[in-house]
Amino acid sequence: GDSVTQMEGPVTLSEEAFLTINCTYTATGYPSLFWYVQYPGEGLQLLLKATKADDKGSNKGFEATYRKETTSFHLEKGSVQVSDSAVYFCALSPRSAGKSTFGDGTTLTVKP
Amino acid sequence: DAGVIQSPRHEVTEMGQEVTLRCKPISGHNSLFWYRQTMMRGLELLIYFNNNVPIDDSGMPEDRFSAKMPNASFSTLKIQPSEPRDSAVYFCASLRERHEQFFGPGTRLTVL
Repeated sequence: GDSVTQMEGPVTLSEEAFLTINCTYTATGYPSLFWYVQYPGEGLQLLLKATKADDKGSNKGFEATYRKETTSFHLEKGSVQVSDSAVYFCALSPRSAGKSTFGDGTTLTVKP
Repeated sequence: DAGVIQSPRHEVTEMGQEVTLRCKPISGHNSLFWYRQTMMRGLELLIYFNNNVPIDDSGMPEDRFSAKMPNASFSTLKIQPSEPRDSAVYFCASLRERHEQFFGPGTRLTVL
């Protein structure tokens, strides 16, 4: 079955540091890939997505590129802020109707 | 659009009582998901519906849990009888085919 493996956390960075959270996946076919973010006390919300190989999703300074050859979708941000502190989930969704598969989540804490 | 609506936002009940959680998905979305999130087990998919039909309920922990979707705009998750280990945040999410999931704000359930 489909699976998503995320870099284990927690991750603690200083403000303005570079962020990478690794995500690799296993899936049949060509899924869509997502990063969701969950702020304390809230539900998950979409951060960015990519629907085909070599697509780059970007939002709020975050980026991730759909790499089919390495089955990866790593999340990056050049300069994190305290407000980026949250839990980040990598996920995939099959082309056909079906359930999405989520990674275990990575907790990011950014210190001033 | 108001987004996915869940009620109640918080529920405190005593062991043995029946608990009913409610969800209104986004209009036009044809899939609905129920998740449970705890610190110990992370985010778990309990059940999902496609076009109001339950497709996969393999994540439902036991017979005490049941879910229904009588129409496209409403779903319930019921726990009867509730136990302290059911304490968690329960999320409902909906999606339009091949797009991202939209999560509700969650219901924080505490079973004493």
